[in-house]
Amino acid sequence: KAGVTQTPRYLIKTRGQQVTLSCSPISGHRSVSWYQQTPGQGLQFLFEYFSETQRNKGNFPGRFSGRQFSNSRSEMNVSTLELGDSALYLCASSLVVHEQFFGPGTRLTVL
Amino acid sequence: QKEVEQDPGPLSVPEGAIVSLNCTYSNSAFQYFMWYRQYSRKGPELLMYTYSSGNKEDGRFTAQVDKSSKYISLFIRDSQPSDSATYLCACSLYNFNKFYFGSGTKLNVKP
Repeated sequence: KAGVTQTPRYLIKTRGQQVTLSCSPISGHRSVSWYQQTPGQGLQFLFEYFSETQRNKGNFPGRFSGRQFSNSRSEMNVSTLELGDSALYLCASSLVVHEQFFGPGTRLTVL
Repeated sequence: QKEVEQDPGPLSVPEGAIVSLNCTYSNSAFQYFMWYRQYSRKGPELLMYTYSSGNKEDGRFTAQVDKSSKYISLFIRDSQPSDSATYLCACSLYNFNKFYFGSGTKLNVKP
């Protein structure tokens, strides 16, 4: 079974731009969660989508948004990028609660 | 104060040693406790999860939860150089896919 895939793997943007990251979950998984990982703050929860609806949300500003499509694929969007948004963005999918499987991540660098 | 605290290490042990990795948490409502392993430039890999208090064993790995002291542990027996990675603990509420992660402990197993 294929794992969680994320595209692109690497991204370089400049301040003020916006970015869209994509995540394809494991086949059959309907829950997709997004996390931000930085050396200083570690892994922080952004939001979770289940059946195209946001089910849980972390403490990030409204510049961070997401959506999920009917095939469970998910996208995350960050608008008006700041230097502090440079991070590894991880997507995780799950079939049952508490068994989250992570993708390889998208490394975003904001210049 | 972070919800989940974890000593960042690094922890260096000889091959074959028993490794003990630990986390403490502050929210007594947490019910699920997870351990992930993350190799450099990869996404976290789920090792095991435990519900409530008690022990869970999987091969060379044993997870232990003590809810009375809000303390979780992962023991690795007969450690191998391939176990060298960062180990992350995570906690969540019952039936919520929102994980609170520790900062991770970097483990180095020397041949």
